[in-house]
Amino acid sequence: AQSVTQLDSHVSVSEGTPVLLRCNYSSSYSPSLFWYVQHPNKGLQLLLKYTSAATLVKGINGFEAEFKKSETSFHLTKPSAHMSDAAEYFCVVSDGTASGTYKYIFGTGTRLKVLA
Amino acid sequence: KAGVTQTPRYLIKTRGQQVTLSCSPISGHRSVSWYQQTPGQGLQFLFEYFSETQRNKGNFPGRFSGRQFSNSRSEMNVSTLELGDSALYLCASSGLTGYDGYTFGSGTRLTVV
Repeated sequence: AQSVTQLDSHVSVSEGTPVLLRCNYSSSYSPSLFWYVQHPNKGLQLLLKYTSAATLVKGINGFEAEFKKSETSFHLTKPSAHMSDAAEYFCVVSDGTASGTYKYIFGTGTRLKVLA
Repeated sequence: KAGVTQTPRYLIKTRGQQVTLSCSPISGHRSVSWYQQTPGQGLQFLFEYFSETQRNKGNFPGRFSGRQFSNSRSEMNVSTLELGDSALYLCASSGLTGYDGYTFGSGTRLTVV
């Protein structure tokens, strides 16, 4: 079974400084991995996804993530934080099921705070 | 194109009542999944429907049920509500298998008093 661990429950950065949100996964095969963002009282918005193509994945709003198989990591980065980036971020691994479909396994989330 | 639409956005119910939540997927998506989000348990998978059939199921009691209609719209029902059922319920839709990811709605905030 797949699993995902987000290493930090809270991260604070100053506006204009880099963002690093860490995610490690456990998978018995090559997984699909995703990052989602959730603003307060909103649904989840897909930031980016890795589905066995290029290991460096670029997403929306300047975010990117690198799939590192040797480290079983999929960390999310952004060169310069903006106030609007303050939200909760979820790392997700896609788990295959007996029916040949996929369901999500969510990390516990990282709350990003951006300081003015 | 229109996103995933969930109604209602907010609900307040009393313990012991039952509730029905609705989800309209993205046009052309036939898979609809439901998740429960609480501060204590995080995001947990409830079930998934595809072509009116339940395809996958999470570890929730039988009080939680769902169905899907021929137009792919889905409903979930919770009977005999408990205080612990207070949560944000999220619906997500995808193409055939979900391999490329899911699109989420804004959720229904259920409060049980």
